[in-house]
Amino acid sequence: AQSVTQPDARVTVSEGASLQLRCKYSYFGTPYLFWYVQYPRQGLQLLLKYYPGDPVVQGVNGFEAEFSKSNSSFHLRKASVHWSDWAVYFCAVRIMQQGTGSKLSFGKGAKLTVSP
Amino acid sequence: DPKIIQKPKYLVAVTGSEKILICEQYLGHNAMYWYRQSAKKPLEFMFSYSYQKLMDNQTASSRFQPQSSKKNHLDLQITALKPDDSATYFCASSHRGRAEQFFGPGTRLTVL
Repeated sequence: AQSVTQPDARVTVSEGASLQLRCKYSYFGTPYLFWYVQYPRQGLQLLLKYYPGDPVVQGVNGFEAEFSKSNSSFHLRKASVHWSDWAVYFCAVRIMQQGTGSKLSFGKGAKLTVSP
Repeated sequence: DPKIIQKPKYLVAVTGSEKILICEQYLGHNAMYWYRQSAKKPLEFMFSYSYQKLMDNQTASSRFQPQSSKKNHLDLQITALKPDDSATYFCASSHRGRAEQFFGPGTRLTVL
């Protein structure tokens, strides 16, 4: 099945430390991949997107992600985490459906806690 | 100004009743979607519409009916509500042909 998996449900990092959130995908062909962030009691905001091309993509607020075909991965990174990054992060893949458009398939999310 | 409006923000309903969740987008997009997020399940796709036509329906129940009265509206009617329907319902939109979708703030539905 075409999907994404986020293996780490909860991640805690110290403020100022680096961050990596993992995402593995399963997809036939070349995927279009996304990271979304959900702050408490809010909707989802697009953090960054991968369209086939440069494997490293830059997002907002210093986030970046790297696509790896060999590892079937799309990990999210940030060099220095800020307390305002405390949120839930979702990886998603676009699923194309024959003649009926597309949808996003989401991972279960990774809840990031930032410690002082 | 918010580009995708969902109303109401919170909704409490009794079992067996019917509710309509409202979604309007002002991004000029031609595709709209509904997703559901609950404590038991991660974000799951429900419906997609393109140019006001239903493209895909992945809800198992006919109790969920999308309604598109205008090209930038996609409401969700839920009938015979059950406690298991308690969830946050997100509306999203995109340009047809673009992969990224933009999400509204959600409607949090609680069924008692």
